[in-house]
Amino acid sequence: DGGITQSPKYLFRKEGQNVTLSCEQNLNHDAMYWYRQDPGQGLRLIYYSQIVNDFQKGDIAEGYSVSREKKESFPLTVTSAQKNPTAFYLCASTLHSAGNQIPQYFGPGTRLTVL
Amino acid sequence: AQSVSQHNHHVILSEAASLELGCNYSYGGTVNLFWYVQYPGQHLQLLLKYFSGDPLVKGIKGFEAEFIKSKFSFNLRKPSVQWSDTAEYFCAVTPFGNEKLTFGTGTRLTIIP
Repeated sequence: DGGITQSPKYLFRKEGQNVTLSCEQNLNHDAMYWYRQDPGQGLRLIYYSQIVNDFQKGDIAEGYSVSREKKESFPLTVTSAQKNPTAFYLCASTLHSAGNQIPQYFGPGTRLTVL
Repeated sequence: AQSVSQHNHHVILSEAASLELGCNYSYGGTVNLFWYVQYPGQHLQLLLKYFSGDPLVKGIKGFEAEFIKSKFSFNLRKPSVQWSDTAEYFCAVTPFGNEKLTFGTGTRLTIIP
């Protein structure tokens, strides 16, 4: 089955530790995205990548880092610099189309809880 | 920067009632508009989208939305809701040619059998 997988589904970490969330897609999509979802705040864009080895900051990139070494993978690291990391993290991808790279496929999400 | 407003935070309806969820955006140029739905325990999925053409767009599961440019609105409608429509609904917008979606804060819809 084609789709986006995120692992793990639930993640617990101690304050001050870095943690990496996995996102893999087998849709052959060009662009990938990371969002953070908080109650009452909708989805906010953290980082996105249109091609391998290139990525751009979204609206709330501080305290996060990403890499895009392979087309199908876009891991997100939540660093200790992120002030409020407890949230639901969603990965998305889309096929590149001229002028409009719109995330249409979402993964199941990872719920991160920092203790 | 563009923004999206969904004024209804939580809507509770009985089955067979009609539904209209509001969505307003702030951006003066050409936009692409979307409604996404997140059913309990499921992935966020695209409900419908507007790129151009007929401002009344139809999506999955009997939903439709109307783009009214003069009002900067893209309201979601369904004539008769079902219990299975219980979910959270997100409106999203991107300026034409832009890579980033801006989401509204979401509306939680609860349908009472």
